[in-house]
Amino acid sequence: NAGVTQTPKFRILKIGQSMTLQCTQDMNHNYMYWYRQDPGMGLKLIYYSVGAGITDKGEVPNGYNVSRSTTEDFPLRLELAAPSQTSVYFCASSLHTDTQYFGPGTRLTVL
Amino acid sequence: AQSVAQPEDQVNVAEGNPLTVKCTYSVSGNPYLFWYVQYPNRGLQFLLKYITGDNLVKGSYGFEAEFNKSQTSFHLKKPSALVSDSALYFCAVRALDNYGQNFVFGPGTRLSVLP
Repeated sequence: NAGVTQTPKFRILKIGQSMTLQCTQDMNHNYMYWYRQDPGMGLKLIYYSVGAGITDKGEVPNGYNVSRSTTEDFPLRLELAAPSQTSVYFCASSLHTDTQYFGPGTRLTVL
Repeated sequence: AQSVAQPEDQVNVAEGNPLTVKCTYSVSGNPYLFWYVQYPNRGLQFLLKYITGDNLVKGSYGFEAEFNKSQTSFHLKKPSALVSDSALYFCAVRALDNYGQNFVFGPGTRLSVLP
């Protein structure tokens, strides 16, 4: 039981490049979330999903897209990277809206 | 609007002394409250939660939290701090907000336990 896994752990992008952050959970959780954590700040919700095929925007969705084709996977897509997207990205999952379990994070730098 | 406040950016305590990390919240309806801990370069780890029942909740690593409805607080406590408790602590509330039934996190409190 690996919990929530995220890849890659680190990435440097140039402005305008695109990439996908991968997130997988093996706990059969229906809810999944993407957060960003900026230095010295708390977590801000980017997108969330309540089940396969259902996604919705969080507090800071601009510049990102998500999909949820399976229960296990919830990738986050950055289409045109901007310096403002430099952050640490965390994926989390939960059974309904109970305790969230977090992945180890992806540290992204956009130059 | 739903919100969580952690009034202290930093808490310093000597090893062996009791510690308290404060959290207050504002939410419609009955709150579901959580504490998470984040060690350097790691994701958040669940410590404890309050949903209903006894106002004193016990969690992992000897931590406990006290729910106070009248003061809308959920302070995290530990009777005897360890150096290894040094980390970033987040309070969170499950709330019905503009984004559906979801979690709102506080800004975090950095705990430093001095040997």
